[in-house]
Amino acid sequence: DTGVSQDPRHKITKRGQNVTFRCDPISEHNRLYWYRQTLGQGPEFLTYFQNEAQLEKSRLLSDRFSAERPKGSFSTLEIQRTEQGDSAMYLCASSVTTGTGTPGGGYTFGSGTRLTVV
Amino acid sequence: SQQGEEDPQALSIQEGENATMNCSYKTSINNLQWYRQNSGRGLVHLILIRSNEREKHSGRLRVTLDTSKKSSSLLITASRAADTASYFCATDATDSWGKFQFGAGTQVVVTP
Repeated sequence: DTGVSQDPRHKITKRGQNVTFRCDPISEHNRLYWYRQTLGQGPEFLTYFQNEAQLEKSRLLSDRFSAERPKGSFSTLEIQRTEQGDSAMYLCASSVTTGTGTPGGGYTFGSGTRLTVV
Repeated sequence: SQQGEEDPQALSIQEGENATMNCSYKTSINNLQWYRQNSGRGLVHLILIRSNEREKHSGRLRVTLDTSKKSSSLLITASRAADTASYFCATDATDSWGKFQFGAGTQVVVTP
């Protein structure tokens, strides 16, 4: 296990199209997070999972966004009817955390998927 | 919304000098982390400091935490050109169950 993998690395799509990103976390990590980052800004929290349960979804996430983590392993983030404002880097991270949320260490981030909506 | 704010926004130093950046946050936290991000890449975890800790070291990195002032600092000693990156602090509020919020970052440029 070499780290968190994200696919694809880059995605260019036309406005109105649907896109789906995949994240494969470190296998023993129970927490998986999705963040969005625009140029010059820090990552903004989108949603996170503990095993297969989605614990929280940010108010930033409109109804066009949906995330899943079936079987508590990989996760997908889908954006429907993309808009130009969705253009950003989408980052996935995983970590080991106890049931009360105490982190065993830091997040391990993937390299991200850069989405460009034209 | 972003919980932490880094200061300064940008920092330019020469190799060998020390770099200090600060992070202020708004609510009580369980833990604070610092990350580095090279241009166009993912974030790399540097240090996690818990709310009951005041200082941690890792190699050339020194992190302090003052929960009374709701602030943290990251010191990079004897900087190298390879330290050129953006540095972010991230905090998890006491009611957040391990979900971290990031600041906007400090962009550090180290010139040879």
